[in-house]
Amino acid sequence: QQQVKQSPQSLIVQKGGISIINCAYENTAFDYFPWYQQFPGKGPALLIAIRPDVSEKKEGRFTISFNKSAKQFSLHIMDSQPGDSATYFCAASISPGYALNFGKGTSLLVT
Amino acid sequence: DADVTQTPRNRITKTGKRIMLECSQTKGHDRMYWYRQDPGLGLRLIYYSFDVKDINKGEISDGYSVSRQAQAKFSLSLESAIPNQTALYFCATSDNTAQGRETQYFGPGTRLLVL
Repeated sequence: QQQVKQSPQSLIVQKGGISIINCAYENTAFDYFPWYQQFPGKGPALLIAIRPDVSEKKEGRFTISFNKSAKQFSLHIMDSQPGDSATYFCAASISPGYALNFGKGTSLLVT
Repeated sequence: DADVTQTPRNRITKTGKRIMLECSQTKGHDRMYWYRQDPGLGLRLIYYSFDVKDINKGEISDGYSVSRQAQAKFSLSLESAIPNQTALYFCATSDNTAQGRETQYFGPGTRLLVL
């Protein structure tokens, strides 16, 4: 069964808008929450990651918000650009470097 | 990432055939992984290896086997391919240091079609 649930499955955002992708998990042993970005024909690449000791992490236009009590985390892409059009996967693991449990992915299109 | 290579990139095979997918890395990483990607299902872990002598089953290991021939090489085999193993297969690596573990580096993928 999927240990990380991701929504929405697809998302269309206008250029300059905010893209928001949400993930939820059940396993309280998870200690590392990365987001991967995948372009067509390529393997996923790490975008940004967070540990549960902080509630937010920002890198450029990308921000992860983390709610430990709700067991939810989300990716916000500010000022979305056409080059951000890709598939985004959230993931979780018990520790960095351990096997990742991926969400099903969100296909983002920025028009 | 060019440091993680997968061969072949595309493969068509028939039901019942044995096939091997190969992964090589020049990153010097100890940890290697095989994932399978299906549309709408994300990536699921098949096998992983933390060093040459360490092999572990992942979420969906049935029907697959692996071999870690060297630190740099990790092969995935389908002993008797079946159509529902049609998928995109990714190899990934990560460092074993505290800092390096945070990133898994993925290869370009192998697209497999089982007829």
